[in-house]
Amino acid sequence: AQTVTQSQPEMSVQEAETVTLSCTYDTSESDYYLFWYKQPPSRQMILVIRQEAYKQQNATENRFSVNFQKAAKSFSLKISDSQLGDAAMYFCAYRSAEDNAGKSTFGDGTTLTVKP
Amino acid sequence: ETGVTQTPRHLVMGMTNKKSLKCEQHLGHNAMYWYKQSAKKPLELMFVYNFKEQTENNSVPSRFSPECPNSSHLFLHLHTLQPEDSALYLCASSPPGHDSGANVLTFGAGSRLTVL
Repeated sequence: AQTVTQSQPEMSVQEAETVTLSCTYDTSESDYYLFWYKQPPSRQMILVIRQEAYKQQNATENRFSVNFQKAAKSFSLKISDSQLGDAAMYFCAYRSAEDNAGKSTFGDGTTLTVKP
Repeated sequence: ETGVTQTPRHLVMGMTNKKSLKCEQHLGHNAMYWYKQSAKKPLELMFVYNFKEQTENNSVPSRFSPECPNSSHLFLHLHTLQPEDSALYLCASSPPGHDSGANVLTFGAGSRLTVL
């Protein structure tokens, strides 16, 4: 079974600075998807960024980028120019590409605080 | 709003009550999910439906009973719950296919359940 580990329960960043959230995962599969989801205090979880394992290029989405290291099974999220609205709980998630409507496995989450 | 609507947003019930949570999406997604989010615990997948058929029951107690009458609606029927069932129940959906949006979960805002 796949597992996802987020080793940082809480992180803090100064507004306008850069922060990196860590995620590692364990799988024996070669084709899969990795995600970062954000859950603000209002609770509705939204997608931040998505990475396909067969793509070597790291995904980017405006101020959000990932460092995907497939051999190391590492998938960190970098937030540049942090804004107050980035404060939320961030979840790393894994999903098998084999599973057409299957389950996503989530990490425990990292609570990010942004200081003005 | 993400396009996935959950009602009610808050529910308080006694252990002998019977209530239902509702989830609705009109995004054309084929798969729908129930997740349980408790404090200090990772997201727990409860049920998966693909084109109205249940494809996953993650060892959920029978006091939780899902129903998926069509691809747009998902219910979670609750009866004789325990106080430890108090949690945020999240509904999500995802589309078919393998394009850039595939496998991404779209979440509802959640139903906060308190069992007295």
